[in-house]
Amino acid sequence: QQQVKQSPQSLIVQKGGISIINCAYENTAFDYFPWYQQFPGKGPALLIAIRPDVSEKKEGRFTISFNKSAKQFSLHIMDSQPGDSATYFCAAKAAGNKLTFGGGTRVLVKP
Amino acid sequence: GAVVSQHPSWVICKSGTSVKIECRSLDFQATTMFWYRQFPKQSLMLMATSNEGSKATYEQGVEKDKFLINHASLTLSTLTVTSAHPEDSSFYICSARGGTQGSYNEQFFGPGTRLTVL
Repeated sequence: QQQVKQSPQSLIVQKGGISIINCAYENTAFDYFPWYQQFPGKGPALLIAIRPDVSEKKEGRFTISFNKSAKQFSLHIMDSQPGDSATYFCAAKAAGNKLTFGGGTRVLVKP
Repeated sequence: GAVVSQHPSWVICKSGTSVKIECRSLDFQATTMFWYRQFPKQSLMLMATSNEGSKATYEQGVEKDKFLINHASLTLSTLTVTSAHPEDSSFYICSARGGTQGSYNEQFFGPGTRLTVL
């Protein structure tokens, strides 16, 4: 049973545009929501993470929006660049437990 | 800081042989290490969790006798794929958590090991 649902599976955005990836979860015990970026043939790297006590977190061009009541969170990539072309995974974790990953979104930024 | 390495980065082996993959936390002590498997264009699937000095906890459906995990020290965990078969071909990724690196929740991932079984 997939506890974190991620959409879309893929998206294409023009350089300078905004990439938006959404995730929904079911387990209300989750208290840590990270996003990972993965390039082909590489391991995932932590991009940004949020806890449910805040509704938004911004780091550079990357922003997480969090809606606790809707059990949804999203990643916004502002001013998307070709170097942002990668697969992005959302994840969620409850205290002391393992990470649960979403299915991934392949982002292609066209120059 | 918080660097996790894996060795080898890729390996090709014959069917029926065993392959060992190492995962090292280079600049912190990893109290917990995780092993994942990733098929092309798919998400990461957790195989097992290991705590230093303890037996690994395997996820449902993962054969513990086929995927042997050893976490003998706070900086090293190994995954041995025994009697490998072509269906074991995959991208294996480890991650490590612990110490004062990042938040307690944060896991640091290795670069992955591409296993191809002929």
